[in-house]
Amino acid sequence: EPEVTQTPSHQVTQMGQEVILRCVPISNHLYFYWYRQILGQKVEFLVSFYNNEISEKSEIFDDRFSVERPDGSNFTLKIRSTKLEDSAMYFCASREGAGLYEQYFGPGTRLTVT
Amino acid sequence: GIQVEQSPPDLILQEGANSTLRCNFSDSVNNLQWFHQNPWGQLINLFYIPSGTKQNGRLSATTVATERYSLLYISSSQTTDSGVYFCAVDRMGAQKLVFGQGTRLTINP
Repeated sequence: EPEVTQTPSHQVTQMGQEVILRCVPISNHLYFYWYRQILGQKVEFLVSFYNNEISEKSEIFDDRFSVERPDGSNFTLKIRSTKLEDSAMYFCASREGAGLYEQYFGPGTRLTVT
Repeated sequence: GIQVEQSPPDLILQEGANSTLRCNFSDSVNNLQWFHQNPWGQLINLFYIPSGTKQNGRLSATTVATERYSLLYISSSQTTDSGVYFCAVDRMGAQKLVFGQGTRLTINP
């Protein structure tokens, strides 16, 4: 069964550094998402991406965050000037189409900012 | 925005018991999904159920969209069922999933 994959599974970085979280969505999917979950809290939407552009972003997704689909398979989330409060689990998700389609989630990348 | 409320927040049961988890949402939704978050933090898709009833082994789910709620049933609970169960919805015209706060289920042997 096709699945969303994410690398790395765990990333430790120092405050102020840049990190890139990588995702490979399911191959025929057109819509891509990033969510995050701070430890012990609910999962929160960050950004959605379709047709090579951001379609929606949340208040969390400030100008330190960016997303890119550099080729036909990868979808990346870059965080510049990381802060302690960026420490969280980051999930990538993809969906085949708009409307009545479910989202498939990757296993997550646990980001720890020290 | 749409509000998603899950109840109960915590549930502790003995192995073999049955349980019902509830998800209420404040507006009409396009999609509804149930997830199980395992001890490693992974979100496991349980059901995609914008309406109607589905069953998968010991788990089943029902969504009554007109009354804005969904129920997840777990029968004959096992210790491996422990974890946090999330309900998530998206509204017509919006693509993002909005998650509830989750129900933490603990199954004791």
